[in-house]
Amino acid sequence: DTGVSQNPRHKITKRGQNVTFRCDPISEHNRLYWYRQTLGQGPEFLTYFQNEAQLEKSRLLSDRFSAERPKGSFSTLEIQRTEQGDSAMYLCASSLAGQGSTEAFFGQGTRLTVV
Amino acid sequence: AQSVSQHNHHVILSEAASLELGCNYSYGGTVNLFWYVQYPGQHLQLLLKYFSGDPLVKGIKGFEAEFIKSKFSFNLRKPSVQWSDTAEYFCAVNAGSGTYKYIFGTGTRLKVLA
Repeated sequence: DTGVSQNPRHKITKRGQNVTFRCDPISEHNRLYWYRQTLGQGPEFLTYFQNEAQLEKSRLLSDRFSAERPKGSFSTLEIQRTEQGDSAMYLCASSLAGQGSTEAFFGQGTRLTVV
Repeated sequence: AQSVSQHNHHVILSEAASLELGCNYSYGGTVNLFWYVQYPGQHLQLLLKYFSGDPLVKGIKGFEAEFIKSKFSFNLRKPSVQWSDTAEYFCAVNAGSGTYKYIFGTGTRLKVLA
C-alpha cells in the first residue's frame, strides 16, 4: 500500500500520560498535514509542514501539542499531559506542492481515547 | 478567516433520487475547492476538485459539482443515488496561495435507503 500510513490505529491512554503518533506520507509528497476530527465535525486543521519546515500552526494547537518532521519524510505528533478533551481521531494527510495545488491524501487516522 | 458551511447535516434519500448538497465558503481570493467522501470505516477520499476553468466539474462515481463564484458556492450533485453512496461528505477549501491548509465543512451524513 503506497498511501498515507498512520500508526497506531488506536490508542487508549490515561489522563496525564504522553502519547506520540506517527505518519508516513506518500513518498514523493512534500507537504504533510495534521488534522483532528471529533464526532459530527469535519477535520480541524492543526498544523502543516512543507518538507521539514513547520509552516503553520492552528491556535487549536496548545503548548501540549508538538509536531515534527525531522527529515522531511515521516512526521510525529506528540500530546503531552493528555486530557479527556484530547479524545478524537487524529488524521494525517499529504500532498505534492507544485504548480497550482493538488489534493490532500488522507490516512486512516489514529483514534485516541483518554480515560 | 476562511470558513466552509455545509447546510445539510443529515440527508436521507431513496435509491434513484437526485442529490444536491450545499457548500458555501468565505474567502475573497482565489480558491481551490474539493469534495471528499468518507464511507463507513474508511478514510477520507477525494470525490472531485476544482482549481480553475470549467466551473462544472465531474468526479468519480457519477458525482459533479458546480462552482458559482458570485455565490461563493460549490454544490455537489448526483442525478441518481445508490445505496452504496451512503457516506459522509465533506466540502473543503484551500486558499491556493499564502497558506496551503485545507479548511473543511462540518460534513453531511447521507443515508440512501434501498
